[in-house]
Amino acid sequence: AQRVTQPEKLLSVFKGAPVELKCNYSYSGSPELFWYVQYSRQRLQLLLRHISRESIKGFTADLNKGETSFHLKKPFAQEEDSAMYYCALSGRAGGTSYGKLTFGQGTILTVHP
Amino acid sequence: ETGVTQTPRHLVMGMTNKKSLKCEQHLGHNAMYWYKQSAKKPLELMFVYSLEERVENNSVPSRFSPECPNSSHLFLHLHTLQPEDSALYLCASSQGFSYEQYFGPGTRLTVT
Repeated sequence: AQRVTQPEKLLSVFKGAPVELKCNYSYSGSPELFWYVQYSRQRLQLLLRHISRESIKGFTADLNKGETSFHLKKPFAQEEDSAMYYCALSGRAGGTSYGKLTFGQGTILTVHP
Repeated sequence: ETGVTQTPRHLVMGMTNKKSLKCEQHLGHNAMYWYKQSAKKPLELMFVYSLEERVENNSVPSRFSPECPNSSHLFLHLHTLQPEDSALYLCASSQGFSYEQYFGPGTRLTVT
């Protein structure tokens, strides 16, 4: 079974402060991890995936297999980062390779001015 | 309209009603998904369609019946629902092996 845990439902920081959104997972195979984001009145959209190892909007996330974590970090938070963030883990759907995403419960990030 | 569209955006139905949710994707993708988002639970995958064939049914009750007539359209037929089925139903699509799924705005369903 695969599971994604985001321990913080709410996270508040001030503008310019570092931010870390926690994500832990359990999966018996080799995982693929993602962060999705939903800004106010917008759709859920992909923020970044661990395979690409890139920084998007200043956010990075490193897969730590030893700690089974995929925390999302940004050194200096901005007000426009306020949103709901979901960590997701991929699996297999039936006999095909199409994405089956298991989502965490989400963390609402609020960045205060 | 571009991307993934869903209609209706809001739906209120009684437990004896029959209704359908519609999803349309304008991205040329070949996989489509239904998710359920309840207030106190994580986003839950319900169904996956690949090339118009259902490849995943995630233990969803039979009162939810999906239909994928072509690669651009996905329906969720609802009948004799329960109040606990009230939730936001999200449709998504993706291309091939990409796990980047494009989501629609959702249909907010209330069962009375």
